[in-house]
Order: sequence, then C-alpha cells, then structure tokens
Amino acid sequence: KNEVEQSPQNLTAQEGEFITINCSYSVGISALHWLQQHPGGGIVSLFMLSSGKKKHGRLIATINIQEKHSSLHITASHPRDSAVYICAVLNYGGSQGNLIFGKGTKLSVKP
Amino acid sequence: DSGVTQTPKHLITATGQRVTLRCSPRSGDLSVYWYQQSLDQGLQFLIQYYNGEERAKGNILERFSAQQFPDLHSELNLSSLELGDSALYFCASSVGVAGGTDTQYFGPGTRLTVL
Repeated sequence: KNEVEQSPQNLTAQEGEFITINCSYSVGISALHWLQQHPGGGIVSLFMLSSGKKKHGRLIATINIQEKHSSLHITASHPRDSAVYICAVLNYGGSQGNLIFGKGTKLSVKP
Repeated sequence: DSGVTQTPKHLITATGQRVTLRCSPRSGDLSVYWYQQSLDQGLQFLIQYYNGEERAKGNILERFSAQQFPDLHSELNLSSLELGDSALYFCASSVGVAGGTDTQYFGPGTRLTVL
C-alpha cells in the first residue's frame, strides 16, 4: 500500500465547477505539499501545510492531521487549471527534503 | 519562471553510457534537490545538497551520484545507464535546509531517453 494515496486518479470537469482533490496518508507527517504539474511537465509548488487551511486565489488547501487527510479545492475552475495535481508529505522524523509523493490526480477542465 | 535552470532539456543516449545533468538554483537558495519522475513510479526523491554538503538521500541508485559546487550549482551523474533510467529528472531549490517544510522551486526538468 502506498504511503500517500490520492483520489480521484482522473477528473473531468466543466468550466466553472467546484473541484475537490483528496490526499490521504498513512504516516505521521511534519508537512504536506500540493504541487501542480503542467501538461508541458513543469512543476509548481502550490501550498505547504502543516495544519489548518491556506488560500491563494481560487485555490484552497486544507489538512486534518488527526484524520491524516488533505484536500485541494479549486473554485470556479477554468481550462487553464488542467494539470496533474500531486500531493507530497514529509514523514515526521524523516530527513528533511525526503518527500514522499502521491501518484497524482489528472484534472481536465472543459470549456 | 521559477528561477531554477536545468540543462540539457532533452538527452538521448544509449545503454551503458554516462551522462551529467546540470542544475542552477534560484539566486540565494542554498539547497538543491534532485527528483526522478518515471511513468510507473511517479516522482521520487533522489538526493539533497545544502551549501555543498549532502543532507538527505532517497531512492538513489549506486550508479547515480551528485555534487553541489561552491557556486551552488549541482550536477547529477548517471552511469551505466539502463533502459529503466529513462525518465524526467527534476531539480528543485529552497532557501534553507528544511526542504520538507520550505517551499521548493522546481526547474523545467531534463528528459532522459535511454535507447
């Protein structure tokens, strides 16, 4: 079983829809990252969370440490949001920098 | 543009060969991380350097090695290449040593194809 599981694997939405991507992990963590990988391959760090909630524009990330779960929400989705979204965790007590990655959620937003 | 540069963008080589991938971190960043992304394994952490010293090691094969130079650029050396080494190799950088709790800035990647 993977230490970091994401759902769904693939997601197709219509422009304007509210989108939720989930990440569950089985290890104790110090931090959780959400990354966005564009169709061309480039990776952008969206959020780094250790508790609570963060918001940036139309993106919201939440984490529930007790339930070992994080969600990434996109409000008013747009075709330019089409990308792979990757969750990564830093294992508590693990060496810094050694992130464990989920397999990613491929999002396609149709106009 | 993250400010992290990687060269070359694409690399095609044969099995058994050796290649060197280069990364220049963002100005002011002291940590460099290397990641491998293959179709079947997804993203995997390989190794981290901070200010010239190795700080963390992940799933890096013995055939692979890396170093960070005094000007903070880093090189990842891959030798005795196998077909399975074909992947995207990303470099990322961060200001401090705590890459798990710092924002990391990713380079555009080097696509390695081993024939």
